[in-house]
Amino acid sequence: ETGVTQSPTHLIKTRGQQVTLRCSSQSGHNTVSWYQQALGQGPQFIFQYYREEENGRGNFPPRFSGLQFPNYSSELNVNALELDDSALYLCASSPASGREQYFGPGTRLTVT
Amino acid sequence: AQSVTQLGSHVSVSEGALVLLRCNYSSSVPPYLFWYVQYPNQGLQLLLKYTSAATLVKGINGFEAEFKKSETSFHLTKPSAHMSDAAEYFCAVSPVQGAQKLVFGQGTRLTINP
Repeated sequence: ETGVTQSPTHLIKTRGQQVTLRCSSQSGHNTVSWYQQALGQGPQFIFQYYREEENGRGNFPPRFSGLQFPNYSSELNVNALELDDSALYLCASSPASGREQYFGPGTRLTVT
Repeated sequence: AQSVTQLGSHVSVSEGALVLLRCNYSSSVPPYLFWYVQYPNQGLQLLLKYTSAATLVKGINGFEAEFKKSETSFHLTKPSAHMSDAAEYFCAVSPVQGAQKLVFGQGTRLTINP
């Protein structure tokens, strides 16, 4: 059974640019959540997708957007990057029958 | 709103000693509770979960946690620390209804002394 995978592993962008991060959920999981983890902090909930619809959103501006595809994979898009967007971005998937979430290895985004 | 407080940003124990990592939550109704571990430059791994069944929950790697409603606590313990337990530990809560978002504490860095 393949776990949650994310790509790319690392990314360096310039302030003002746009970025797309990708996530493949664990087999059989239909819910995907995205989190931002700043250095030395706990992860912060960005949003969640269930059956291709946004199913909850944290306190992040609209320039953070997402998609979920029919195969339950997902993308996180961030427009107009700011220096404070530098963080580890974590994707997590969860099964229809459970509340626990299983995390991918993350994408380290650096904005210069 | 739900919140989590982890007492102690850094805990240091000797190899073979008891590990106790503290977590208190704030919620109007008992939520679902989780402990995750994060090794350097990696994602989070689920250690254990409480979802309103038994109050004493056993997880992987010899860890366990006890849900105490009266104290709004969900402390993580391990009887005997191993060098491989050195990592960052996060307590998280999730509401029983609605979106399955996790609200994390600030984390506790566990150091094991030989």
